[in-house]
This record gives sequence, structure tokens and C-alpha cells, in this order.
Amino acid sequence: GAVVSQHPSWVICKSGTSVKIECRSLDFQATTMFWYRQFPKQSLMLMATSNEGSKATYEQGVEKDKFLINHASLTLSTLTVTSAHPEDSSFYICSARATAGGVNTFGSGTRLTVV
Amino acid sequence: GQQVMQIPQYQHVQEGEDFTTYCNSSTTLSNIQWYKQRPGGHPVFLIQLVKSGEVKKQKRLTFQFGEAKKNSSLHITATQTTDVGTYFCAVQTFNYQLIWGAGTKLIIKP
Repeated sequence: GAVVSQHPSWVICKSGTSVKIECRSLDFQATTMFWYRQFPKQSLMLMATSNEGSKATYEQGVEKDKFLINHASLTLSTLTVTSAHPEDSSFYICSARATAGGVNTFGSGTRLTVV
Repeated sequence: GQQVMQIPQYQHVQEGEDFTTYCNSSTTLSNIQWYKQRPGGHPVFLIQLVKSGEVKKQKRLTFQFGEAKKNSSLHITATQTTDVGTYFCAVQTFNYQLIWGAGTKLIIKP
């Protein structure tokens, strides 16, 4: 079945630094990838939708200059949290939708802790 | 925008008891998906329902889509410790985004 690899699985960084999270579709091409954030005991919140070769579409309230998304190929999307602050600590999850269709496949998530 | 309400937020059951979570919408849904998220893990797709009145079973899990396509339920018969986690419903929109319910956390009492 479709597999999405997300790295790193966890990261601790200092306040003010930037962190890059990668999301790769391993055995399929993903035209569209989605980035979510999940705070403890809450549901997933969509941050942005990225389409290969074009700018990401951000949800209301999500700062595009803080959460940089790049979808340079059909198998890779990256989310960079710039100038991270403790309130950015969260569980970040990507999902990918195959070009051929079907349901979205989720990455294993990245737990970010900003100290 | 479209919203999906999911209840209850938590359900404590003894092992062997049944568990049910419900999702409701004020508008007609084109589809509904169900996911399971284990503690510390990511959502895992369980099933998608698209037809009015549809009922699908996966071993001890029964998924239903209402006749009016405005509600759905997930029922687990005779829960086991491996069932522990949070169960989410989600609706896929025309642009393949997912609108998520709040989730129901299944807790097995010792």
C-alpha cells in the first residue's frame, strides 16, 4: 500500500532557530500534500495545502512566512518552522494524496518541542 | 464552513464492553471517513463510507452512514486493549482536504 515517510519523528530545538520537516511519498506520486498540526488532546488542524510546483495555500490564521512549505517534486514536501517559539511546540503531521486518486495517506508525524 | 460534530469526547469502558462514537453534520455529506490514532501515533485510515444507509464491518468494528447522509457511527463490539486510542471521523472535501471531528478517546478501565 501507499507509504508516506515523515522525518524527523521528533525534534527539540532552541527558541529562535528553524526546523525543517520532510514528508516523502515512497511508492507513489503525490500531486497534493497536506500539513496538519495537532495540539495535545485536540483534533488535527489543517495548516496548508501544497501542490507540486506551485505555492502552498495556507488556512486562515496560519502565517505563511513562519511556516514555509516547499513541494518541489511529486514525492517530497517540506515544512520549515522558522524562528520557532515554545508555542510552536506541537505534533506536525503530513498527508499525501496520490495523483492517481484514492484516500490520503498520513506520515508518522513529527513531535516538535521548542525550548 | 462545513463542520462535523463528534461525540462523546471520551468513553471509559471495561474490557469486553461495547463502544460507540457518533458524528453529525447539519449538511448532507458526500462521504465520511474514519481514522484511529493510537497514543503518540498518527491517524490510520479505517474506512470510507459514501452511500446512504451504508453499513460496513471490519471484524468487531461496524461503521454506519445515515440514510440522510448527515450522520455516521462507529461501533466496536467487545472491546480489547488493542482498541485503545482516539477515533476520528473526517469528511473529504472537493479539493481533498479533510474536515475532522473532535475525536472520541476510548479508554479501557483496568
